Amino acid sequence: AQSVTQLGSHVSVSEGALVLLRCNYSSSVPPYLFWYVQYPNQGLQLLLKYTSAATLVKGINGFEAEFKKSETSFHLTKPSAHMSDAAEYFCAVGLGGGGNKLTFGTGTQLKVEL
Amino acid sequence: KAGVTQTPRYLIKTRGQQVTLSCSPISGHRSVSWYQQTPGQGLQFLFEYFSETQRNKGNFPGRFSGRQFSNSRSEMNVSTLELGDSALYLCASSSENRDLSTDTQYFGPGTRLTVL
Repeated sequence: AQSVTQLGSHVSVSEGALVLLRCNYSSSVPPYLFWYVQYPNQGLQLLLKYTSAATLVKGINGFEAEFKKSETSFHLTKPSAHMSDAAEYFCAVGLGGGGNKLTFGTGTQLKVEL
Repeated sequence: KAGVTQTPRYLIKTRGQQVTLSCSPISGHRSVSWYQQTPGQGLQFLFEYFSETQRNKGNFPGRFSGRQFSNSRSEMNVSTLELGDSALYLCASSSENRDLSTDTQYFGPGTRLTVL
């Protein structure tokens, strides 16, 4: 069975500062990894995904994540935070072999301050 | 293309009642998945349908059921509602490919169910 741990339920950064949201996964087989963002009263929007190609994955809105197998991590980063980045971020893991079942982490609420 | 649509957006029911939620996937998508989101349990997978067949199922009681129609629209039903069923129910659709290596799931805005 696979699982996801997101360290830090709340993260606060200043506008223009580096954003780092942590995600560690557990999987018995090579996983597919995803980051989603959720704005208030909305569904989830895919930021990026890792599917065993390049370990550094670039997504939308300037976000990127690096897959590190040795650390079982898939941390999300953005060099410079913008006020519009304030939202909840979810890391998710899925397995291949048919099907679209995702296991989500508990989420990290990102606050961006002036 | 229009996105994933879910109806209704908000719903209030009382304990013991049943409820049906609807999801219309993106045109051409054949996979529809359902998730429950609560503050306590987070996002949990309910089930997935592909071409009218249930392909995956999460760990929910039998009160939670679903189906998919030939036009890929999906419904989920919860019978004998309990207070703990209050949640945001999210539907996601993805293309006709087989798995996560190529699929991208697109989520709808959700249905907010409140059980009183």
